[in-house]
Amino acid sequence: GIQVEQSPPDLILQEGANSTLRCNFSDSVNNLQWFHQNPWGQLINLFYIPSGTKQNGRLSATTVATERYSLLYISSSQTTDSGVYFCAVGIRGGSNYKLTFGKGTLLTVNP
Amino acid sequence: EAGVTQFPSHSVIEKGQTVTLRCDPISGHDNLYWYRRVMGKEIKFLLHFVKESKQDESGMPNNRFLAERTGGTYSTLKVQPAELEDSGVYFCASSQILNGGYTFGSGTRLTVV
Repeated sequence: GIQVEQSPPDLILQEGANSTLRCNFSDSVNNLQWFHQNPWGQLINLFYIPSGTKQNGRLSATTVATERYSLLYISSSQTTDSGVYFCAVGIRGGSNYKLTFGKGTLLTVNP
Repeated sequence: EAGVTQFPSHSVIEKGQTVTLRCDPISGHDNLYWYRRVMGKEIKFLLHFVKESKQDESGMPNNRFLAERTGGTYSTLKVQPAELEDSGVYFCASSQILNGGYTFGSGTRLTVV
């Protein structure tokens, strides 16, 4: 099956710093999403980005599908950004569709 | 629009007992998915409903797990009997189109003691 690798596995920042999270995947995909799991366990959809670049406030994401990677940029980080960031790729097979998740990046933003 | 709703948010049961998790998808979303994250590992696919039909249940770990989606609306996931290794967070998600963006619920944290 498809492999999804996220880096770094852990990241500690001071409030106000910028960061880049990376997601590599091993095969062509139909979809790619970035999620944030907050300290309460909720999975929040950040971006649906099979290709191109999107921005939402302090967050932006870029997916280069031909090179099989995606980047999530967090600027001016805040303590509320802490949590686990997951990249997930979607593969469609006929009428079947499922997401394969990476192991996540645990981000800790200190005040 | 209401999001994906899951309950209970947290359940603690003893080994051997039965637990039923419920998911209410976004209204009008035909596709409903169950995923889980156990032991701090990756979030893994369990199964996919299209309306009331099980489209893909290749991720279901064993026959102690039973999922249903009555009338193509809400879905339940029953674990019977529960084992210690079933502990984890169970997520439900729905989508309007097959390979569109998912919306996840808040998850049910299951603890088997």
